[in-house]
Amino acid sequence: DGGITQSPKYLFRKEGQNVTLSCEQNLNHDAMYWYRQDPGQGLRLIYYSQIVNDFQKGDIAEGYSVSREKKESFPLTVTSAQKNPTAFYLCASSFTRGSTTNEKLFFGSGTQLSVL
Amino acid sequence: QKEVEQNSGPLSVPEGAIASLNCTYSDRGSQSFFWYRQYSGKSPELIMSIYSNGDKEDGRFTAQLNKASQYVSLLIRDSQPSDSATYLCAVIPSGGYNKLIFGAGTRLAVHP
Repeated sequence: DGGITQSPKYLFRKEGQNVTLSCEQNLNHDAMYWYRQDPGQGLRLIYYSQIVNDFQKGDIAEGYSVSREKKESFPLTVTSAQKNPTAFYLCASSFTRGSTTNEKLFFGSGTQLSVL
Repeated sequence: QKEVEQNSGPLSVPEGAIASLNCTYSDRGSQSFFWYRQYSGKSPELIMSIYSNGDKEDGRFTAQLNKASQYVSLLIRDSQPSDSATYLCAVIPSGGYNKLIFGAGTRLAVHP
């Protein structure tokens, strides 16, 4: 079945530790995104990538890093510089045609990150 | 001012009633508008998209857009307990291709 797979479902981070959240899609989508969701708040964009080897900062990129070495994969690293990392992290993808984007986002099942 | 605003709720409606969810946005040049449904602990799923003024119907769902008032709404007819979820309004602002801006969501509770 085509879809987006996020792992792990739950992740715990110790002080000063970097952790990496995995996101893999087999939908052949060009664009991939990382969102953060805090309780009572909407989704906020961390990073997005329209093509392999290219990515742009979203609204809250500080303390996060990404890579896009393969079309299928867009891992997110939460660095020790992110002082308040506890949140629900959602990866999404969409199909891009030329200069426009099919804005329908397909979401993974999410990763809940907590600080020990 | 937040870019996309929604009443957080909860909005409580009886089964079979019409649920009306509202959303306002700040960027007058926005062109694309979406409603996502999110069950607790799950990822959002797209239920409606609307691009031009007026109404768009899909089954029990109707999206309404008024660009002059910068207002988009979602009506759910014959509400069912299974509709109980958080509904997120999302907007692509002018020049913001690839950048969906989400509201905080409205929690809907449909009681039998």
